[in-house]
Amino acid sequence: DGGITQSPKYLFRKEGQNVTLSCEQNLNHDAMYWYRQDPGQGLRLIYYSQIVNDFQKGDIAEGYSVSREKKESFPLTVTSAQKNPTAFYLCASSTSGRTGSYEQYFGPGTRLTVT
Amino acid sequence: EDQVTQSPEALRLQEGESSSLNCSYTVSGLRGLFWYRQDPGKGPEFLFTLYSAGEEKEKERLKATLTKKESFLHITAPKPEDSATYLCAVLPFNKFYFGSGTKLNVKP
Repeated sequence: DGGITQSPKYLFRKEGQNVTLSCEQNLNHDAMYWYRQDPGQGLRLIYYSQIVNDFQKGDIAEGYSVSREKKESFPLTVTSAQKNPTAFYLCASSTSGRTGSYEQYFGPGTRLTVT
Repeated sequence: EDQVTQSPEALRLQEGESSSLNCSYTVSGLRGLFWYRQDPGKGPEFLFTLYSAGEEKEKERLKATLTKKESFLHITAPKPEDSATYLCAVLPFNKFYFGSGTKLNVKP
């Protein structure tokens, strides 16, 4: 079964702790993305990566960090510097358009609650 | 500035009452326009990609169309199971830009 997995589904942390969210894909996609979704709002881009060992900041990168050591994996760390980390986090991957088509698929999401 | 606006924010329909959702965009170059369905607490589910003005795609009761400035998602004879939030996104270059979505509620 091809797809994107995110773990865990629910995550609870105390304020001041760093936390890492996992994202794995077996779709052989080059590009991967992290989004944040708050209640009633659209998706906001945190970081994205077009290729292994390279990534770019999105619109709301402050307080977050990522790595892309393998094509299949793109973990997101929410640091203690993120002022309002409680949110629904979505990982996505997409085709690169080399075949002329673009499609972006999402994982099931991780709901992070920080108290 | 690249921007995506979806309307209406919310839409209530009776089962069988057809309607359309709108996605207007301003981008400098368009590689693709995407429609997704999102159920509460879940990740968005990919529906369609449209690449050029005049293109149309269909899937069951859904039909997406594209012009140079906007896209429509037409829902024909909707059923209660079509209730969800529908998201639109555009890809100008490397980043996807999302609208805030239209929350559709179909009453039996």
